[in-house]
Amino acid sequence: NAGVTQTPKFRILKIGQSMTLQCAQDMNHNYMYWYRQDPGMGLKLIYYSVGAGITDKGEVPNGYNVSRSTTEDFPLRLELAAPSQTSVYFCASSPGMGIAFFGQGTRLTVV
Amino acid sequence: GENVEQHPSTLSVQEGDSAVIKCTYSDSASNYFPWYKQELGKGPQLIIDIRSNVGEKKDQRIAVTLNKTAKHFSLHITETQPEDSAVYFCAASNTGFQKLVFGTGTRLLVSP
Repeated sequence: NAGVTQTPKFRILKIGQSMTLQCAQDMNHNYMYWYRQDPGMGLKLIYYSVGAGITDKGEVPNGYNVSRSTTEDFPLRLELAAPSQTSVYFCASSPGMGIAFFGQGTRLTVV
Repeated sequence: GENVEQHPSTLSVQEGDSAVIKCTYSDSASNYFPWYKQELGKGPQLIIDIRSNVGEKKDQRIAVTLNKTAKHFSLHITETQPEDSAVYFCAASNTGFQKLVFGTGTRLLVSP
């Protein structure tokens, strides 16, 4: 049972480039989330999804987009990368009732 | 929206001592309060949680207490061990909205 799998683990982007962070879960959870973690700032919610085809913004959605075409996958798209998007990104899934299972994270640096 | 404050930001203890981390929340509608442990280079992992209909919950050396009136909850770790060293996050949510709001984290260092 793999749980929540994120790829890639590390990535360096140049300013203005685009990329997609992949997230997949094999627990058949309806709820999925993307968080970013900055030093000393805890985790901030970027986007979340309550099921396939349904997504909504979190606290810090600007500069990001998501899609949820299947229950398993929840990719996060960065368009026109900026230095402010340098962060560690975590994907999580939940069966409901608030419980969340996190992936191992993607460390992104924008230079 | 919900706001969660967490203290202290760093905590150093000797092995065998107890450690206490405190969080306050702002939204009285929040009803679920988990604690996560994050080891270096890994994602947060749920270690214990409490719901608003319960005042205290224990699991071996860790316990969580909740004071709904004061809107604060705490993590207690007894008989600390070096492997308890990590960053601990509290969070709060209203399960009707299924979104967790996290505190800023506490770095716990347990010295042998």
